[in-house]
Amino acid sequence: GNSVTQMEGPVTLSEEAFLTINCTYTATGYPSLFWYVQYPGEGLQLLLKATKADDKGSNKGFEATYRKETTSFHLEKGSVQVSDSAVYFCALSDSKAAGNKLTFGGGTRVLVKP
Amino acid sequence: DTAVSQTPKYLVTQMGNDKSIKCEQNLGHDTMYWYKQDSKKFLKIMFSYNNKELIINETVPNRFSPKSPDKAHLNLHINSLELGDSAVYFCASSTSGSSYNEQFFGPGTRLTVL
Repeated sequence: GNSVTQMEGPVTLSEEAFLTINCTYTATGYPSLFWYVQYPGEGLQLLLKATKADDKGSNKGFEATYRKETTSFHLEKGSVQVSDSAVYFCALSDSKAAGNKLTFGGGTRVLVKP
Repeated sequence: DTAVSQTPKYLVTQMGNDKSIKCEQNLGHDTMYWYKQDSKKFLKIMFSYNNKELIINETVPNRFSPKSPDKAHLNLHINSLELGDSAVYFCASSTSGSSYNEQFFGPGTRLTVL
Protein backbone atom coordinates (compact mmCIF):
# COMPACT_ATOMS: atom_id res chain seq x y z
CA GLY A 1 0.00 0.00 0.00
CA ASN A 2 0.87 3.66 -0.09
CA SER A 3 2.66 5.38 2.76
CA VAL A 4 4.37 8.63 3.63
CA THR A 5 7.13 9.03 6.19
CA GLN A 6 8.26 12.38 7.46
CA MET A 7 10.65 13.44 10.15
CA GLU A 8 9.23 13.66 13.61
CA GLY A 9 9.18 16.94 15.40
CA PRO A 10 9.07 19.16 17.07
CA VAL A 11 11.55 21.22 15.14
CA THR A 12 12.55 24.37 16.99
CA LEU A 13 14.30 27.14 15.08
CA SER A 14 15.25 30.76 15.47
CA GLU A 15 13.82 33.34 13.13
CA GLU A 16 15.67 33.58 9.80
CA ALA A 17 17.05 30.05 10.17
CA PHE A 18 16.94 27.49 7.35
CA LEU A 19 14.21 24.87 7.55
CA THR A 20 14.22 21.39 6.06
CA ILE A 21 11.55 18.77 6.68
CA ASN A 22 12.29 15.39 5.15
CA CYS A 23 9.55 13.39 3.47
CA THR A 24 9.77 10.04 1.68
CA TYR A 25 6.99 7.98 0.18
CA THR A 26 6.03 4.60 -1.22
CA ALA A 27 3.31 4.31 -3.82
CA THR A 28 2.00 1.68 -6.19
CA GLY A 29 1.11 4.11 -8.96
CA TYR A 30 2.22 7.56 -10.04
CA PRO A 31 1.51 9.82 -7.11
CA SER A 32 1.01 13.52 -6.89
CA LEU A 33 2.78 14.98 -3.87
CA PHE A 34 1.62 17.71 -1.53
CA TRP A 35 2.65 19.69 1.48
CA TYR A 36 -0.19 20.91 3.67
CA VAL A 37 0.17 23.26 6.63
CA GLN A 38 -2.02 23.40 9.73
CA TYR A 39 -1.83 26.56 11.82
CA PRO A 40 -2.93 26.29 15.46
CA GLY A 41 -6.65 25.73 15.78
CA GLU A 42 -7.26 25.67 12.03
CA GLY A 43 -7.85 23.21 9.24
CA LEU A 44 -5.28 22.19 6.67
CA GLN A 45 -4.23 24.46 3.83
CA LEU A 46 -2.37 23.43 0.73
CA LEU A 47 1.14 24.89 0.82
CA LEU A 48 2.50 23.48 -2.45
CA LYS A 49 2.30 20.50 -4.73
CA ALA A 50 4.11 18.65 -7.52
CA THR A 51 2.51 16.25 -9.93
CA LYS A 52 5.40 14.55 -11.72
CA ALA A 53 9.05 13.72 -11.32
CA ASP A 54 11.44 16.70 -11.14
CA ASP A 55 8.59 19.18 -10.67
CA LYS A 56 9.28 21.84 -8.08
CA GLY A 57 6.41 23.22 -6.03
CA SER A 58 6.85 26.60 -4.38
CA ASN A 59 4.79 29.01 -2.31
CA LYS A 60 5.42 31.64 0.39
CA GLY A 61 9.18 31.00 0.23
CA PHE A 62 8.78 27.25 0.68
CA GLU A 63 10.01 24.81 -1.97
CA ALA A 64 9.93 21.06 -2.54
CA THR A 65 11.15 19.01 -5.49
CA TYR A 66 9.59 15.70 -6.56
CA ARG A 67 12.49 13.23 -6.63
CA LYS A 68 11.37 9.94 -8.09
CA GLU A 69 14.80 8.32 -7.83
CA THR A 70 14.90 8.81 -4.06
CA THR A 71 11.08 8.79 -3.59
CA SER A 72 11.37 12.04 -1.67
CA PHE A 73 9.67 15.42 -1.45
CA HIS A 74 11.60 17.40 1.14
CA LEU A 75 10.28 20.80 2.19
CA GLU A 76 12.70 23.73 2.51
CA LYS A 77 12.58 27.38 3.39
CA GLY A 78 15.61 29.60 3.46
CA SER A 79 14.57 32.02 6.19
CA VAL A 80 11.70 31.17 8.51
CA GLN A 81 9.49 33.62 10.37
CA VAL A 82 7.59 33.28 13.61
CA SER A 83 4.41 33.10 11.55
CA ASP A 84 5.67 29.83 9.98
CA SER A 85 5.09 28.05 13.29
CA ALA A 86 2.65 25.29 12.41
CA VAL A 87 2.32 21.57 11.75
CA TYR A 88 3.43 20.52 8.26
CA PHE A 89 2.05 17.43 6.56
CA CYS A 90 3.51 15.66 3.56
CA ALA A 91 0.90 13.76 1.56
CA LEU A 92 0.38 11.83 -1.64
CA SER A 93 -2.53 11.09 -3.90
CA ASP A 94 -2.16 8.02 -6.08
CA SER A 95 -3.54 8.07 -9.60
CA LYS A 96 -4.08 4.30 -9.43
CA ALA A 97 -6.21 4.45 -6.29
CA ALA A 98 -9.92 5.13 -6.39
CA GLY A 99 -11.30 8.30 -4.94
CA ASN A 100 -8.18 10.51 -4.95
CA LYS A 101 -7.70 10.07 -1.23
CA LEU A 102 -4.75 11.74 0.45
CA THR A 103 -2.31 9.56 2.37
CA PHE A 104 -0.59 11.69 5.00
CA GLY A 105 2.67 11.50 6.85
CA GLY A 106 2.58 11.88 10.60
CA GLY A 107 3.08 15.64 10.57
CA THR A 108 6.03 17.73 11.77
CA ARG A 109 5.48 20.49 14.27
CA VAL A 110 7.69 23.53 13.64
CA LEU A 111 8.20 26.21 16.26
CA VAL A 112 10.02 29.38 15.24
CA LYS A 113 11.26 31.55 18.07
CA PRO A 114 11.98 35.27 17.72
CA ASP B 1 -17.04 33.47 2.04
CA THR B 2 -16.47 30.16 3.78
CA ALA B 3 -15.44 27.47 1.31
CA VAL B 4 -15.83 24.35 3.45
CA SER B 5 -17.76 24.73 6.68
CA GLN B 6 -18.43 22.27 9.48
CA THR B 7 -20.77 22.34 12.44
CA PRO B 8 -20.35 22.14 15.29
CA LYS B 9 -16.77 23.24 15.93
CA TYR B 10 -16.71 21.54 19.32
CA LEU B 11 -18.74 18.57 20.48
CA VAL B 12 -18.57 17.12 23.99
CA THR B 13 -20.74 14.13 24.74
CA GLN B 14 -21.06 11.01 26.85
CA MET B 15 -20.16 7.48 25.83
CA GLY B 16 -23.02 5.66 24.17
CA ASN B 17 -24.65 8.75 22.71
CA ASP B 18 -25.36 9.33 19.02
CA LYS B 19 -24.14 12.52 17.37
CA SER B 20 -23.85 14.10 13.92
CA ILE B 21 -21.38 16.46 12.31
CA LYS B 22 -22.42 18.48 9.27
CA CYS B 23 -20.28 19.63 6.38
CA GLU B 24 -21.09 21.94 3.49
CA GLN B 25 -18.96 23.24 0.64
CA ASN B 26 -19.78 26.12 -1.70
CA LEU B 27 -16.95 25.51 -4.15
CA GLY B 28 -18.98 23.54 -6.66
CA HIS B 29 -16.87 20.44 -6.04
CA ASP B 30 -18.25 16.98 -6.72
CA THR B 31 -16.12 14.99 -4.28
CA MET B 32 -16.17 15.24 -0.49
CA TYR B 33 -14.18 13.48 2.22
CA TRP B 34 -14.05 12.85 5.95
CA TYR B 35 -10.68 12.56 7.69
CA LYS B 36 -9.95 11.76 11.33
CA GLN B 37 -7.03 13.38 13.17
CA ASP B 38 -6.02 11.67 16.38
CA SER B 39 -4.36 13.18 19.44
CA LYS B 40 -0.92 12.73 17.88
CA LYS B 41 -2.01 14.74 14.82
CA PHE B 42 -2.06 11.67 12.56
CA LEU B 43 -4.59 12.14 9.73
CA LYS B 44 -6.41 9.27 8.06
CA ILE B 45 -9.12 9.11 5.42
CA MET B 46 -12.44 7.70 6.55
CA PHE B 47 -14.84 8.20 3.65
CA SER B 48 -15.06 9.74 0.21
CA TYR B 49 -18.18 10.55 -1.78
CA ASN B 50 -18.41 11.54 -5.43
CA ASN B 51 -21.72 13.02 -6.58
CA LYS B 52 -23.46 11.49 -3.56
CA GLU B 53 -21.99 8.05 -4.23
CA LEU B 54 -19.70 6.34 -1.71
CA ILE B 55 -16.25 5.80 -3.22
CA ILE B 56 -13.99 5.12 -0.24
CA ASN B 57 -14.79 3.45 3.06
CA GLU B 58 -11.54 2.84 4.90
CA THR B 59 -12.53 0.03 7.25
CA VAL B 60 -14.32 2.43 9.52
CA PRO B 61 -16.61 0.83 12.14
CA ASN B 62 -20.19 0.70 10.97
CA ARG B 63 -21.14 2.95 13.89
CA PHE B 64 -19.99 5.70 11.53
CA SER B 65 -22.46 6.41 8.76
CA PRO B 66 -21.86 9.18 6.25
CA LYS B 67 -24.77 10.69 4.38
CA SER B 68 -24.65 12.89 1.33
CA PRO B 69 -28.03 14.47 0.56
CA ASP B 70 -26.50 16.37 -2.35
CA LYS B 71 -23.02 16.94 -3.70
CA ALA B 72 -22.53 20.08 -1.58
CA HIS B 73 -23.14 18.29 1.71
CA LEU B 74 -21.57 15.34 3.48
CA ASN B 75 -22.70 14.65 7.02
CA LEU B 76 -21.23 12.18 9.47
CA HIS B 77 -23.42 10.37 11.97
CA ILE B 78 -21.82 8.38 14.78
CA ASN B 79 -23.77 5.87 16.85
CA SER B 80 -22.89 4.55 20.29
CA LEU B 81 -19.93 6.84 20.77
CA GLU B 82 -16.80 5.38 22.37
CA LEU B 83 -13.86 6.99 24.14
CA GLY B 84 -11.62 6.16 21.17
CA ASP B 85 -13.79 8.27 18.89
CA SER B 86 -12.39 11.39 20.52
CA ALA B 87 -10.52 13.20 17.76
CA VAL B 88 -10.72 16.11 15.37
CA TYR B 89 -12.79 15.32 12.29
CA PHE B 90 -12.08 17.21 9.10
CA CYS B 91 -14.29 17.49 6.08
CA ALA B 92 -12.70 18.25 2.71
CA SER B 93 -13.76 18.66 -0.89
CA SER B 94 -12.21 18.64 -4.35
CA THR B 95 -13.03 18.25 -8.00
CA SER B 96 -12.83 14.70 -9.25
CA GLY B 97 -10.96 13.31 -12.18
CA SER B 98 -7.36 13.77 -11.17
CA SER B 99 -5.14 12.82 -8.27
CA TYR B 100 -3.42 16.21 -8.35
CA ASN B 101 -6.51 18.25 -7.57
CA GLU B 102 -6.19 20.18 -4.34
CA GLN B 103 -8.43 19.22 -1.47
CA PHE B 104 -9.92 22.07 0.53
CA PHE B 105 -10.38 21.41 4.22
CA GLY B 106 -12.91 22.64 6.71
CA PRO B 107 -11.89 24.03 10.12
CA GLY B 108 -12.48 20.73 11.88
CA THR B 109 -14.82 19.46 14.59
CA ARG B 110 -13.22 18.52 17.87
CA LEU B 111 -15.16 15.62 19.35
CA THR B 112 -14.60 14.72 22.99
CA VAL B 113 -16.26 11.59 24.36
CA LEU B 114 -16.40 11.40 28.15
